[in-house]
Amino acid sequence: KAGVTQTPRYLIKTRGQQVTLSCSPISGHRSVSWYQQTPGQGLQFLFEYFSETQRNKGNFPGRFSGRQFSNSRSEMNVSTLELGDSALYLCASSLAGSQRGEQYFGPGTRLTVT
Amino acid sequence: EDKVVQSPLSLVVHEGDTVTLNCSYEVTNFRSLLWYKQEKKAPTFLFMLTSSGIEKKSGRLSSILDKKELFSILNITATQTGDSAVYLCVPSGTYKYIFGTGTRLKVLA
Repeated sequence: KAGVTQTPRYLIKTRGQQVTLSCSPISGHRSVSWYQQTPGQGLQFLFEYFSETQRNKGNFPGRFSGRQFSNSRSEMNVSTLELGDSALYLCASSLAGSQRGEQYFGPGTRLTVT
Repeated sequence: EDKVVQSPLSLVVHEGDTVTLNCSYEVTNFRSLLWYKQEKKAPTFLFMLTSSGIEKKSGRLSSILDKKELFSILNITATQTGDSAVYLCVPSGTYKYIFGTGTRLKVLA
C-alpha cells in the first residue's frame, strides 16, 4: 500500500508570494491533517479535513488555508508569505481522523521563504 | 488550554540501557494518546493508547496510559543506537492532535 505523498518536496519562495502544497493520503483514508514544523516551535497543528470538510483549525492566521477534494487529496495554501513561514510542512492521513486512531505522515514539504 | 509536557527533554544513554520517557497531558475531550518516533524525517507511528492500565508492547518498546492521572510512559529496554530519535507524545482531542516538544534520545555505542 502506498504511503502518504506530498508534493513538492522542496520549495523556495519570496516574501509576499503565495504557495500551494499538495498531499495525497493513503488509499482509503478520509482524513488529512496538516502541520507546521520549525526548530523552535516543534510540530504545530494547522487544520484537519475529513470528507472535504474542515473539522478543526489551529492557531494560525487566515493566510493559511486548505481544502480537500472528493478523492481525499488535500491542498494547503499560504498567501502573502513571510520569512517566518519557512518550515517543514507535514501532512498526515488517517482512516477517520483524530477520534479513531493513528495518523501516518508524509515526508513533508520543506518551504524556504527568502 | 490543551497542553503536553514531556520529560526529560533530552537523554543520553549507552547501548543496553533501559529508558523511561514521560508524558503528562491536559486535553479537552481526550480520545487517545499516540507515541511517535521522529528521526530526520517525518514521525513514524509507535503506539496508540485509549484505555488506562493496558500495556502496549512492540519488541523492546512498551507504553502504558493512566487516564486518571493524565500521563503516559514509554519504555525502551536494551537500547540500540538505532533508537536515537525524538519521541513524541501526542494526545488527541476532538478533531485535533496536540504535539509536545518531544524527548530527544541519544544512544551511544
